[in-house]
Amino acid sequence: EAGVTQFPSHSVIEKGQTVTLRCDPISGHDNLYWYRRVMGKEIKFLLHFVKESKQDESGMPNNRFLAERTGGTYSTLKVQPAELEDSGVYFCASSQDLGPRDGYTFGSGTRLTVV
Amino acid sequence: AQSVTQPDIHITVSEGASLELRCNYSYGATPYLFWYVQSPGQGLQLLLKYFSGDTLVQGIKGFEAEFKRSQSSFNLRKPSVHWSDAAEYFCAVGGVGGGATNKLIFGTGTLLAVQP
Repeated sequence: EAGVTQFPSHSVIEKGQTVTLRCDPISGHDNLYWYRRVMGKEIKFLLHFVKESKQDESGMPNNRFLAERTGGTYSTLKVQPAELEDSGVYFCASSQDLGPRDGYTFGSGTRLTVV
Repeated sequence: AQSVTQPDIHITVSEGASLELRCNYSYGATPYLFWYVQSPGQGLQLLLKYFSGDTLVQGIKGFEAEFKRSQSSFNLRKPSVHWSDAAEYFCAVGGVGGGATNKLIFGTGTLLAVQP
């Protein structure tokens, strides 16, 4: 089966611009998670979708971040306007059942650099 | 607050040598415990996990980890490291916070270099 796919793999944007990251989970996986790793720090939870609904968005840093999951399939994470501190690697993960017992499948991440 | 500590930021071992990566967690109950690995250009791959039962768990690629409740530790081990094991390793806990989500809390990672 295809894994979790993230686009783009790298993005370099200027401060103040908008960037949209995309995640395609494994087909049939209702649960979709976004995580972020800022340079040198730990990987931190951002939010969790169950199908198209936001189950937990307690990790979203501020209202410049908007996540959507239309139709319960792929998800997008938009940063608008981007700030320097938003630089990092954004990971997406999906699971069929409510994790983590079944384990998550992670994508390879999107490396975002804000200059 | 729950936290995961990986005290070693960077480790270098010789190929064929044994390896132990340390992980300590701070949580009242026994959480679900995981080790993930990220090779260059790849996603996070699950190496092994512990939920309950036998405290020594076997994973993929010849890795194992031992849960020690008294030390709140979940160290990762491998008896003989291969050059392909060079990667970044993350310890994580899950099942914290309850509710309808089981987000993972990660450590800061340990970067493993393998020298010939």
